[in-house]
Amino acid sequence: AQSVTQPDIHIPVSDGASLELRCNYSYGATPYLFWYVQSPGQGLQLLLKYFSGDTLVQGIKGFEAEFKRSQSSFTLRKPSVHWSDAAEYFCAVGDSYGGATNKLIFGTGTLLAVQP
Amino acid sequence: EADIYQTPRYLVIGTGKKITLECSQTMGHDKMYWYQQDPGMELHLIHYSYGVNSTEKGDLSSESTVSRIRTEHFPLTLESARPSHTSQYLCASSESRQSYNSPLHFGNGTRLTVT
Repeated sequence: AQSVTQPDIHIPVSDGASLELRCNYSYGATPYLFWYVQSPGQGLQLLLKYFSGDTLVQGIKGFEAEFKRSQSSFTLRKPSVHWSDAAEYFCAVGDSYGGATNKLIFGTGTLLAVQP
Repeated sequence: EADIYQTPRYLVIGTGKKITLECSQTMGHDKMYWYQQDPGMELHLIHYSYGVNSTEKGDLSSESTVSRIRTEHFPLTLESARPSHTSQYLCASSESRQSYNSPLHFGNGTRLTVT
């Protein structure tokens, strides 16, 4: 069965510091991978997605993610975080054989706290 | 800037009441979804729809029901609310083409508290 693991529940970083959020997935076929961000009281917003090709993908708000098949990982990075990046970040995997359903499996989320 | 709308944002209601959570999208998306989100837990899919008159149960069993009479509207109903239904409910939609890689667009959610 598909699964997504985000090993870090909470990550504190200083304003202006670099950020790295980890995500590992379990899936037998080609994964379709997503990172979403959820600000307090809001829904989820798509940051970026990986389907194929270049293993480094660029997203919105200066985020990027690196896909490593050998490690079953999809790591989210940002060179310099801003206080407005404080939010919860969710990694998700989509089923390439999902047919019409387009169901996503989400991780438990990583809460990013940005310290002044 | 959201094109998918959920009402109400917050709802506090007593046990045994019937409630309907509204979800509407203006993007013409065929596929719509309801996820349940609890603190520290992953989002769980409870219902989804391929299009009008199509509804399916998701991976997480839920006592709620849904309907899809119009493309843009996907309401969720609880006939008799219980404290165990307290949670955040997120509605989402996606395009129908290449279903497995179309991103989901989420509403802002309804936080339900059943007392």
